[in-house]
Amino acid sequence: KNQVEQSPQSLIILEGKNCTLQCNYTVSPFSNLRWYKQDTGRGPVSLTIMTFSENTKSNGRYTATLDADTKQSSLHITASQLSDSASYICVVYDGNKLVFGAGTILRVKS
Amino acid sequence: EPEVTQTPSHQVTQMGQEVILRCVPISNHLYFYWYRQILGQKVEFLVSFYNNEISEKSEIFDDQFSVERPDGSNFTLKIRSTKLEDSAMYFCASSGRENSNQPQHFGDGTRLSIL
Repeated sequence: KNQVEQSPQSLIILEGKNCTLQCNYTVSPFSNLRWYKQDTGRGPVSLTIMTFSENTKSNGRYTATLDADTKQSSLHITASQLSDSASYICVVYDGNKLVFGAGTILRVKS
Repeated sequence: EPEVTQTPSHQVTQMGQEVILRCVPISNHLYFYWYRQILGQKVEFLVSFYNNEISEKSEIFDDQFSVERPDGSNFTLKIRSTKLEDSAMYFCASSGRENSNQPQHFGDGTRLSIL
């Protein structure tokens, strides 16, 4: 079954600290992998898109990695800010539709 | 920055009634999508739409659902006879080119509550 699994479910970190969120997928075929940020009560906002041949992609303080052999991805957030508090969702595009993970809820504390 | 807008932000409807959710995609985008997110669950794909036709639809998108682009700006999702389990947040999204490597831009959703 095509699935996207994320860990941890939730995470609390202090402002200024770094964190890494994990994603494993079994979606096939695979076209690309995306990370989205979803603030409470808002729609998802795209952070990165990576194709099969890309190992890493950055967007400001966000850096995503992809290992297509092991079907794993991570999202690293550097020097976290209070505004980073949100749900981070790993999404795989199978060529026809997006398949969403359940998200990791990140809370950044001061 | 252009954005996808959805109306209403919250819709309360009696079970069995028809409901229409409205979306205005980004103006030069050609691909349109509807998703739903039941409270506490994953976002789920419903349907994609291009060139006035449905491109892809999920098992959720049964005969009770329909989509339409009635004019050059709006994109609507209709649920003919709502059920309690249709209660969810419904997101519209659009993209400029074929989805493969293009981000989808999401609206902030319509919260649909079925009583």
